[in-house]
Amino acid sequence: SQKIEQNSEALNIQEGKTATLTCNYTNYSPAYLQWYRQDPGRGPVFLLLIRENEKEKRKERLKVTFDTTLKQSLFHITASQPADSATYLCALASGGGADGLTFGKGTHLIIQP
Amino acid sequence: GAVVSQHPSRVICKSGTSVKIECRSLDFQATTMFWYRQFPKQSLMLMATSNEGSKATYEQGVEKDKFLINHASLTLSTLTVTSAHPEDSSFYICSARDWAQSADTQYFGPGTRLTVL
Repeated sequence: SQKIEQNSEALNIQEGKTATLTCNYTNYSPAYLQWYRQDPGRGPVFLLLIRENEKEKRKERLKVTFDTTLKQSLFHITASQPADSATYLCALASGGGADGLTFGKGTHLIIQP
Repeated sequence: GAVVSQHPSRVICKSGTSVKIECRSLDFQATTMFWYRQFPKQSLMLMATSNEGSKATYEQGVEKDKFLINHASLTLSTLTVTSAHPEDSSFYICSARDWAQSADTQYFGPGTRLTVL
């Protein structure tokens, strides 16, 4: 069955450092992969989308890589700030626009001042 | 950016009653909306795909007679939890695609916290 795993339930990072979150998947051939941020009691907020033919995507302090051979995506937040503390979700889709997303459990990131 | 709203944000009901949750796309038209459920410390699980003007498509294990979905217009989808029981208590979240911006990006509502007593 399809499986998505995100590294560690919680990740503590010192402010100013780079936070790196991992998303691994099995039994899946996604057309694209997305990263979302979720704060407690709120819906997910879209951050970045990367397609199967793209290796890397950047947006301000965020960077995502996608390795379809390793079946892995890495999500980086550079110059991390306490306001970046949240749960980050990895989501996969088969493509076509009509599919819902399959989510990982998320990684709870804590940026310590 | 595309905005999706949900109403109510929080609802508490007695066991056996029905609860309706609304999902609206505020500044775009959504031919397809999705309904997810999230239990504490768990991932979002897709329940169903809601298509405007046609029947919803339910994921395996989701009872279509219990979770009624109606997508009567391009900006509104409703989820009705019928005869709710305590095990239905969860965080229900809808999402919608803004095809004009990107067919692949889903915009999520703020969620509805359902508590069944």
